[in-house]
Amino acid sequence: KQEVTQIPAALSVPEGENLVLNCSFTDSAIYNLQWFRQDPGKGLTSLLLIQSSQREQTSGRLNASLDKSSGRSTLYIAASQPGDSATYLCAVRGSGNTPLVFGKGTRLSVIA
Amino acid sequence: DVKVTQSSRYLVKRTGEKVFLECVQDMDHENMFWYRQDPGLGLRLIYFSYDVKMKEKGDIPEGYSVSREKKERFSLILESASTNQTSMYLCASKLAGPTDTQYFGPGTRLTVL
Repeated sequence: KQEVTQIPAALSVPEGENLVLNCSFTDSAIYNLQWFRQDPGKGLTSLLLIQSSQREQTSGRLNASLDKSSGRSTLYIAASQPGDSATYLCAVRGSGNTPLVFGKGTRLSVIA
Repeated sequence: DVKVTQSSRYLVKRTGEKVFLECVQDMDHENMFWYRQDPGLGLRLIYFSYDVKMKEKGDIPEGYSVSREKKERFSLILESASTNQTSMYLCASKLAGPTDTQYFGPGTRLTVL
């Protein structure tokens, strides 16, 4: 059974710092990996989707990489801002049309 | 822009009541999902539906049922609410197939007293 782990569970950084969030998964047979952002008490917003054939995706200050063979993904946030404070979740989709399997998230605080 | 809406942001119910949570999406998505989210446990899949009138059990279906009579609407039903069903409930939808983005609604915070 696929398991997704995100370390650390919480992270606090000063504004302007570049940072990396980590995601690992146990079964490398995935179709894609998706990173989400969740603000307190709200739903999830999709940030980036990486297909299994891709190595990375970029959107603005965000860059997500995927190393399928080692079961790892990273989300890189450049020049962090207080508005980036949120919980970041990664999720993987296995073969076929199976539901996403989620990690428990990393709670990020960016201090002004 | 994809929009997934949920009928209530906050809901307070009594133990034993029948509770309906409604989810509507406007992008003709085939697949729809219901999750609950609890501190320390993360997101857990309750039920999902690949298309109209179809339903599949997720990881924690006990105490819940679902209905998908129309493509755009997916309802979660708590037949007899209990206090351990107090949680944040999140609905999501996506196009059929493994490659597409999943979109979430804003969530319903349900409290069962």
